[in-house]
This record gives sequence, structure tokens and C-alpha cells, in this order.
Amino acid sequence: SQKIEQNSEALNIQEGKTATLTCNYTNYSPAYLQWYRQDPGRGPVFLLLIRENEKEKRKERLKVTFDTTLKQSLFHITASQPADSATYLCAYTFGNQGGKLIFGQGTELSVKP
Amino acid sequence: NAGVTQTPKFRVLKTGQSMTLLCAQDMNHEYMYWYRQDPGMGLRLIHYSVGEGTTAKGEVPDGYNVSRLKKQNFLLGLESAAPSQTSVYFCASSYSSGTPIAQFFGPGTRLTVL
Repeated sequence: SQKIEQNSEALNIQEGKTATLTCNYTNYSPAYLQWYRQDPGRGPVFLLLIRENEKEKRKERLKVTFDTTLKQSLFHITASQPADSATYLCAYTFGNQGGKLIFGQGTELSVKP
Repeated sequence: NAGVTQTPKFRVLKTGQSMTLLCAQDMNHEYMYWYRQDPGMGLRLIHYSVGEGTTAKGEVPDGYNVSRLKKQNFLLGLESAAPSQTSVYFCASSYSSGTPIAQFFGPGTRLTVL
């Protein structure tokens, strides 16, 4: 069955550095990958979406890549700040499935000043 | 706009009790979803709805029922609560389209079943 996996270990980095989070999937390439941010005690918040035929997407300090050969999406936060500390979730869909998303378990990012 | 709201925020039940979680959205979204989130498991889809009067099963539907009588509301029911249903429940909504777009999430309901 299709699986989506994120690094379960927390990522600790220094302020100003680039944070890179990984999302791997098995079997078939999803049509779309989405990235969400979740703060403690709150619901996830949408950040970026990338399509299967797109290599890269950017939004301000955020960048997402999609490599269908490696079956992997990378999420980058450049010039990271302590306010970027949160859990980041990736989610995929094959499209035309009532908008259903399958989520990874999330990776916790901690940015130290 | 309040976005997606959930009622209640917290609840403690005894095994066998029933309850209903209410989700409301004011964005005129067609699609609505109920997820549960457990440590190390990520978000798992329980049930979803693609429009008023329609519902469908997600990944983990057993022990739950849902209803979508009005477009803006999506109710999640537990008929006979079990300790395994202790979790944080999130409701989400999105526009309908052939291209999946962002889901907007509520603040969550923390449910404990003793």
C-alpha cells in the first residue's frame, strides 16, 4: 500500500541557517504534495502545494522540491528564525478523490537563537 | 470570518458514552473532513463529505458516524466511546475542484475516553 514518511526525529538548527525537511513516499507518484505547518495545540496551516510535473515551488523563504525519481519532496526554510519552530507535515493526494489527503507523521523543527 | 470552528474544545467521556462533535465553516466550502491525530501517527482521515447531504468513509471510519445536513456544518458522532478513541480531532474544509487545494483546519477537540 502507498505510504508517506517523514523523518520522525526532531530537527534542531541554528537561527539563520537553512532547514531542510524530507518527505518520502512509496510506490506511485502522487499527483500533488502539500506542506502544512502545525503549532502546539493548534490545527495545521497550509503552506505550499507542488504538482507532480513541477520540480520546484517557492514562497518567500520557503521552497519545495518534488523528485519523482527519488520519490521524495524536500521542504526548505532559508534564513530560519525561532518563529519557524513548529511541526511540519507533508500530505499527498492523487487528485480527483474528493480532496482527500494522506498525511505523513510530521517533523518537528526547532530553531535556536 | 471565523474560518473553521469546532465545539467543544475539550471533553472527557466514560467508556460507552456517546457524544457529537460539531464543525462549522463560514467560507462556503463544499468539502469537509474529520481527522484524528495521535502521537507518532499523523493525521488520519475518519470521514469526509463532498457536499451537503453526502458523506464517505476515510481511512479509519469504524466507531464513528457523520452527518452533513447543512453545507456549513459537519457533525462527527461517537455512539459508544472506547478508550482507543482518545485523540485530538480536527475538522477541515476546502473548496471543491479537480485540483486539490488547501484544506483549512479548525483548532481541534481534545477527547479523552476513560
